[in-house]
Amino acid sequence: DTGVSQDPRHKITKRGQNVTFRCDPISEHNRLYWYRQTLGQGPEFLTYFQNEAQLEKSRLLSDRFSAERPKGSFSTLEIQRTEQGDSAMYLCASTWGAGPATNEKLFFGSGTQLSVL
Amino acid sequence: AQKITQTQPGMFVQEKEAVTLDCTYDTSDQSYGLFWYKQPSSGEMIFLIYQGSYDEQNATEGRYSLNFQKARKSANLVISASQLGDSAMYFCAMREGERDYNTDKLIFGTGTRLQVFP
Repeated sequence: DTGVSQDPRHKITKRGQNVTFRCDPISEHNRLYWYRQTLGQGPEFLTYFQNEAQLEKSRLLSDRFSAERPKGSFSTLEIQRTEQGDSAMYLCASTWGAGPATNEKLFFGSGTQLSVL
Repeated sequence: AQKITQTQPGMFVQEKEAVTLDCTYDTSDQSYGLFWYKQPSSGEMIFLIYQGSYDEQNATEGRYSLNFQKARKSANLVISASQLGDSAMYFCAMREGERDYNTDKLIFGTGTRLQVFP
């Protein structure tokens, strides 16, 4: 168990550029989540995958954001035409779950810190 | 809609003392789960403790215990015998149980920054 890995750890980009982040969950985990965290706030839910299916998206996930999990393993989060307001920590988490249980804890990666200049 | 409220932006505690971090929640579900996570300056969210809404006893995990008061909708985290390494952000979170089969997420509060001093 190597934990949840995120790459890169830091990304600096200019406004208007596209960026892509990668998340490698714990290998046996079927559920994967993306969160965004701004300074002084708690993580805000962006989207949820079960295996390769994207099942839930937050209204925070504007049409400039897209997430994929093509083979039910790693996931990518792409932000097109970045804006300064996109500057945040993007956290990925995973767990194994089935059905609407409440007790599955999420395992988080260390996040990707995005700075849009 | 579900909501988590953490009213203490920051707390100070002396090493070896106990500290309570407050959390209140709002949900119309009867089935739900409550979590506490720790986030050190490195950024990774570390799971601390879980309490289910139907659990009759308060959860405990080592030096962490959860003071669950269902009628008041509060789930306060108690850290006993604080250590310098406990200095971090602490987040309370909730997952609703009466949800669509294909949805799942934790909703987090705004966090409390705990500083432990010698």
